[in-house]
Amino acid sequence: DTGVSQDPRHKITKRGQNVTFRCDPISEHNRLYWYRQTLGQGPEFLTYFQNEAQLEKSRLLSDRFSAERPKGSFSTLEIQRTEQGDSAMYLCASSLASQGGETQYFGPGTRLLVL
Amino acid sequence: AQSVTQLGSHVSVSEGALVLLRCNYSSSVPPYLFWYVQYPNQGLQLLLKYTSAATLVKGINGFEAEFKKSETSFHLTKPSAHMSDAAEYFCAVKSPNFNKFYFGSGTKLNVKP
Repeated sequence: DTGVSQDPRHKITKRGQNVTFRCDPISEHNRLYWYRQTLGQGPEFLTYFQNEAQLEKSRLLSDRFSAERPKGSFSTLEIQRTEQGDSAMYLCASSLASQGGETQYFGPGTRLLVL
Repeated sequence: AQSVTQLGSHVSVSEGALVLLRCNYSSSVPPYLFWYVQYPNQGLQLLLKYTSAATLVKGINGFEAEFKKSETSFHLTKPSAHMSDAAEYFCAVKSPNFNKFYFGSGTKLNVKP
């Protein structure tokens, strides 16, 4: 178990460009979450998957954002036509669905800066 | 709907002093509650969680938290602060009925020598 990994760790892009981030969860985990964290704030829920199904999307997730988890393993988050307001840390977390309060394991995040 | 309020965006204590980080939640049903710690440029790490068993929950690194339903609180404490405790701490709530976690805005803990 190597934990949750995210790639890249840092991304600088120009406004209007598209970016894609990858998250590799802990292998046996069936749930995968994406969060956005801005300076001085806690993580804000963006979307989550159970296996390959995207079960919920936040209203924060505009049409420029799309996420996939094609085989129920790794996930990608794409932002099209980036805007300066998209600058944030994007966090991925994975968990094993359970009856009790599941524990989320977070990756180190991808820090995005849009110039 | 669920929400979390963390009182005090910055808390400063001396090494060896009591740490108290406050968290109040709002939930229409008995929730699950979590405390996470985040070190600079790292992801969040779970400290402890409450899932309707014992109301006093012990976590890693000597931290503990007590669920008080009457006060809708889940404050985090540690009897004696260590320099390595300096980090940002987040409280989170999850409803048993939904698979969404709501995080507070965080409290940065500074530990003075």
